[in-house]
Amino acid sequence: EADIYQTPRYLVIGTGKKITLECSQTMGHDKMYWYQQDPGMELHLIHYSYGVNSTEKGDLSSESTVSRIRTEHFPLTLESARPSHTSQYLCASSELYSGNTIYFGEGSWLTVV
Amino acid sequence: GEDVEQSLFLSVREGDSSVINCTYTDSSSTYLYWYKQEPGAGLQLLTYIFSNMDMKQDQRLTVLLNKKDKHLSLRIADTQTGDSAIYFCAERGYGGSQGNLIFGKGTKLSVKP
Repeated sequence: EADIYQTPRYLVIGTGKKITLECSQTMGHDKMYWYQQDPGMELHLIHYSYGVNSTEKGDLSSESTVSRIRTEHFPLTLESARPSHTSQYLCASSELYSGNTIYFGEGSWLTVV
Repeated sequence: GEDVEQSLFLSVREGDSSVINCTYTDSSSTYLYWYKQEPGAGLQLLTYIFSNMDMKQDQRLTVLLNKKDKHLSLRIADTQTGDSAIYFCAERGYGGSQGNLIFGKGTKLSVKP
């Protein structure tokens, strides 16, 4: 069983608010990821990190930002939320090298009203 | 570029076998994965197969890989209502995707009692 945790699981906020989605893993994985998924739809990689102080943009452009100050922690921030940001955000982690399994958190459902 | 294709829907009766198909384009893929997503949850790794294997069996799950045709399938024997979920095929790509997973759009499996 994967030890990767996301908070909050569900969040409803107003337009213009700043929010941070938290993601922590206790497996010591170097690589971490954020995916965005609209309900019943495909996953889009929006950010990933190879380790501390590494952040990379994914395949889908996103107005969110990420930071990686500690190995176990990979928070995602929206400075000014908009209704178009309403989605599910999935955090994941893996070891650095090829073939290693990617483990997912339970997801954070964000609704911007 | 790298791409993964799956049919979007599959409906079966309880007790029948389900076969979910997937095609991919990256011939350099070394690992291919099947993930399951239940409503409102994250992705759970079901199984994976290394590219030098043709088949892998794990209890009710059988994965078949045809590397020549770049075709992957997941067979679920004795499908139960609890198997109803979205199933994602994924490959680990080494082109522009920087070794990240490339997911298909997911196949929604509905199991009728």
